Amino acid sequence: AQSVTQLDSQVPVFEEAPVELRCNYSSSVSVYLFWYVQYPNQGLQLLLKYLSGSTLVKGINGFEAEFNKSQTSFHLRKPSVHISDTAEYFCAVTLSGINFGNEKLTFGTGTRLTIIP
Amino acid sequence: NAGVTQTPKFQVLKTGQSMTLQCAQDMNHNSMYWYRQDPGMGLRLIYYSASEGTTDKGEVPNGYNVSRLNKREFSLRLESAAPSQTSVYFCASSEALRMWYTFGSGTRLTVV
Repeated sequence: AQSVTQLDSQVPVFEEAPVELRCNYSSSVSVYLFWYVQYPNQGLQLLLKYLSGSTLVKGINGFEAEFNKSQTSFHLRKPSVHISDTAEYFCAVTLSGINFGNEKLTFGTGTRLTIIP
Repeated sequence: NAGVTQTPKFQVLKTGQSMTLQCAQDMNHNSMYWYRQDPGMGLRLIYYSASEGTTDKGEVPNGYNVSRLNKREFSLRLESAAPSQTSVYFCASSEALRMWYTFGSGTRLTVV
């Protein structure tokens, strides 16, 4: 079975500084990877996804992530953060090439990003 | 475009009471899911439904039942609530052969 590890539970960053949120996955087969964002008191929104092709994936709000198969990582980055980026970020994984109807995502425990003015 | 709608948004139950959390989507998605979110544990899958008429257990199904009433609606029932079921519950749906979910805004449940 697949699993996801987000080692950093909280990341404080000064406004306009760069940020990297780390995600590592474990799977014996190929995977699809996702980042979701949860703003306070809201549901989760899809930030970006890796299904195939280019390993550098761009998402909404200036975020990007790089799929690294050899290191089994999918770290999220933004070159300059804003106050509005304060949220919790979840990495998620599912197996690629699975049967229709079994698209279950496994989520990490989340990283709370706090932007310091 | 409403997406995924969950009701109620907040609920307080006494131990032993029952209730049903409602979820409806208007995107014609085949698959629907119920997750619970607890601090430090991320989201854990309770039940899912790959299509109308089918349901399967997820990682933490004990104490819950589900009903896929039709393609739009997927409800989660707590027959006898326990304090350990205090959590935020999220419903989600996905389109066939697309792996990403659309989430509802959640139900914050407290069991006292």
